[in-house]
Amino acid sequence: NAGVTQTPKFRVLKTGQSMTLLCAQDMNHEYMYWYRQDPGMGLRLIHYSVGEGTTAKGEVPDGYNVSRLKKQNFLLGLESAAPSQTSVYFCASSYSTSGEPTGSYNEQFFGPGTRLTVL
Amino acid sequence: AQTVTQSQPEMSVQEAETVTLSCTYDTSENNYYLFWYKQPPSRQMILVIRQEAYKQQNATENRFSVNFQKAAKSFSLKISDSQLGDTAMYFCAFMRSNDYKLSFGAGTTVTVRA
Repeated sequence: NAGVTQTPKFRVLKTGQSMTLLCAQDMNHEYMYWYRQDPGMGLRLIHYSVGEGTTAKGEVPDGYNVSRLKKQNFLLGLESAAPSQTSVYFCASSYSTSGEPTGSYNEQFFGPGTRLTVL
Repeated sequence: AQTVTQSQPEMSVQEAETVTLSCTYDTSENNYYLFWYKQPPSRQMILVIRQEAYKQQNATENRFSVNFQKAAKSFSLKISDSQLGDTAMYFCAFMRSNDYKLSFGAGTTVTVRA
């Protein structure tokens, strides 16, 4: 199993350009997520999906769009890149556990990250 | 939204010594999960340890152990017998029970010196 993969690993854009980041998982997970990591701020959730065909906004969704047309893929789009979107982007997927006495939790598995620079 | 605070941006430890990373969180929930993730220079996020809030016993994974103080909303990570491969950024994270979203702290960079 490849786990969670991200394409590309590095990218440099000019302000105003568009691009799509691809996340793929082969673990048949229902849930998928996009995070961005910035110095001193940890990981922040951009968008997430609880199943094929569904998406929802996270903590910092502005300037991004997502799509989940297939269960195994989760795409993150930047329509008009801005320097503030320079960051490292992580994709993750998760499954929901069962049997815990006080409710389930989702263990998240992360991709290797994409470093995006917007000039 | 839950708030997770890691007050130590950087820590340094001698090889074979012990280091403790602090984490506090703010929540009104009673049932939740806490995690420590490791991010080495390769950038890969690796789950180190998980604690269920309903369990009083502190979680342990080999050289990694936690001190979970529910009333104080504190969740520290102790790395014993530090190794050079432990050099990484460590993130504390929170998840409500029956939820699927993680809230992360800002991270603590740990450097293990030879």
